[in-house]
Amino acid sequence: AQSVTQLGSHVSVSEGALVLLRCNYSSSVPPYLFWYVQYPNQGLQLLLKYTSAATLVKGINGFEAEFKKSETSFHLTKPSAHMSDAAEYFCAVSVDNFNKFYFGSGTKLNVKP
Amino acid sequence: EPEVTQTPSHQVTQMGQEVILRCVPISNHLYFYWYRQILGQKVEFLVSFYNNEISEKSEIFDDQFSVERPDGSNFTLKIRSTKLEDSAMYFCASSEQGNNQPQHFGDGTRLSIL
Repeated sequence: AQSVTQLGSHVSVSEGALVLLRCNYSSSVPPYLFWYVQYPNQGLQLLLKYTSAATLVKGINGFEAEFKKSETSFHLTKPSAHMSDAAEYFCAVSVDNFNKFYFGSGTKLNVKP
Repeated sequence: EPEVTQTPSHQVTQMGQEVILRCVPISNHLYFYWYRQILGQKVEFLVSFYNNEISEKSEIFDDQFSVERPDGSNFTLKIRSTKLEDSAMYFCASSEQGNNQPQHFGDGTRLSIL
């Protein structure tokens, strides 16, 4: 069975500080991994995806994530937080042909001035 | 950039009534999905739809739920007899094809059952 665990339902950083949002997955087959961002009252917007090419994936808004098979992790990072990064972030895994997504429980990022 | 659109943005319905949530996926996409997010909980898969039929559904998607693509552009989710616990945000998504394609999500419909 597939599952996604996001450690930390709330993360708070200062503006300009490093952002690290954790995601660990469980999958019996090679997964496809995604990060989405959700701003208040909006849908899910794709940040980046891992599809078995490069293990370090760059996304929009300066975010990147590294796939580490040995750690079954796909943590999201950004070197310098901006106030506009405040949102909820979801990690998702897909393994089957019809692309059903399993989502983590989300991490709310707060950016302090 | 093309996007998935959902209507209405907010639906308030009496318990026991039928409700239809509407979605217009991105036009060249072939796979369609519904997810729901109960307040404070994770986004949960409901159903996937491909080639005019359901390809997979979750335990949540019981006989009270149905999906339809009536006219080649709309993709609807119907709940026949709503319950209080159906109150949630419902997201429609679509993707091009294959198992490495990102899904594009609409802004959701907030369903409130009274």
